[in-house]
Amino acid sequence: QVKLLQSGAALVKPGASVKMSCKASGYTFTDYWVSWVKQSHGKSLEWIGEIYPNSGATNFNEKFKGKATLTVDKSTSTAYMELSRLTSEDSAIYYCTRDYGDFWGPGTMVTVSS
Amino acid sequence: DIQMTQSPSLLSASVGDRVTLNCKASQNIYKNLAWYQQKLGEAPKLLIYNANSLQTGIPSRFSGSGSGTDFTLTISSLQPEDVATYFCQQYYSGSTFGAGTKLELK
Repeated sequence: QVKLLQSGAALVKPGASVKMSCKASGYTFTDYWVSWVKQSHGKSLEWIGEIYPNSGATNFNEKFKGKATLTVDKSTSTAYMELSRLTSEDSAIYYCTRDYGDFWGPGTMVTVSS
Repeated sequence: DIQMTQSPSLLSASVGDRVTLNCKASQNIYKNLAWYQQKLGEAPKLLIYNANSLQTGIPSRFSGSGSGTDFTLTISSLQPEDVATYFCQQYYSGSTFGAGTKLELK
């Protein structure tokens, strides 16, 4: 069965960076795009971008260019997202999904606070 | 950017009711639309993809319709476990989600 296992919650200081992971299992990792989605408290969903593990190709929501960096490690079937120059606006739950969203990870909560 | 507008934002209905949720795209997205259900504290779950295809394991009381700019999610007979927030998503160009419809029991 398809599973996406995400890293645990993070508490980070303003101005710092955070890197989170999404480990895939139950399917061929290199055959599907991995997307990342942000959900701020009580709000809707924002697509951040996507990465194709086979080639490393990426596409981004313009809003998140320069904020998010997407990478993969094919040897461990793991996708990563790094968020830089964090502010309180980056406090949210971040989900990884297979393709456009047929399977979702449980989310990683990021809290930005001094 | 493609904008997605959902209506209503809040819907109250009774068990057994037929419920209709709407989603409008700011431009033609053909049938590149999905519907998700999100319960409190959980990740969204895919219900419908390609506007009208039922995801495996989803009850048949859920159905989707539409193409182009106007789409609908219908629950034929509302069940208590359907209380949730429902989001539509376009994946024709990048991806954009609607603001959601919160469905509650009357």
